[in-house]
Amino acid sequence: EAQVTQNPRYLITVTGKKLTVTCSQNMNHEYMSWYRQDPGLGLRQIYYSMNVEVTDKGDVPEGYKVSRKEKRNFPLILESPSPNQTSLYFCASSLKGPKGRYEQYFGPGTRLTVT
Amino acid sequence: AQSVTQLDSQVPVFEEAPVELRCNYSSSVSVYLFWYVQYPNQGLQLLLKYLSGSTLVKGINGFEAEFNKSQTSFHLRKPSVHISDTAEYFCAVSGFAQAGTALIFGKGTTLSVSS
Repeated sequence: EAQVTQNPRYLITVTGKKLTVTCSQNMNHEYMSWYRQDPGLGLRQIYYSMNVEVTDKGDVPEGYKVSRKEKRNFPLILESPSPNQTSLYFCASSLKGPKGRYEQYFGPGTRLTVT
Repeated sequence: AQSVTQLDSQVPVFEEAPVELRCNYSSSVSVYLFWYVQYPNQGLQLLLKYLSGSTLVKGINGFEAEFNKSQTSFHLRKPSVHISDTAEYFCAVSGFAQAGTALIFGKGTTLSVSS
């Protein structure tokens, strides 16, 4: 089944404790992104990647890091989480160019709480 | 840069009534337009998209949307809603150059269908 998976689905942590949220897709997509969803704000892009070793900042990158060492994986790293990073996080992937019809496929989400 | 305004944060309707969820966008470049649905505690699912061609776009679950370039709008409609349509709906845009890599989302409209 074609899908984007995220782990963990739920995470409660404390301020300053480094964490990684994994994202993996099995569709051989070139593009991958991370978004965060906050009530009343919709979804905002954190980082995106156009291919292996190619990443760039989205609209709200502060406090986050990403890496793209393999095509299928795009982990989100919070080196020193803070309470304002409590949010619902989504990973997404898409095919490059018009053959993918510009559709992004979303993972199930990771609910992160930082106390 | 693009921006999206969803004009209603909450829309309550009765079952079998018609519904329209309004979306306006702003952009200095040509865009692709999308509607996504998020059912409670789930990820985002694509309802429909406008890439080119006919301005009336039909999607899944009986939804349709009309692209109006002069009014920069992309309103979502359904002639008769069901209880199961209760969800949050997001309008999103992507500039041609960012297609597939970045989506700008509206803040969402919560559709509540009651019997």
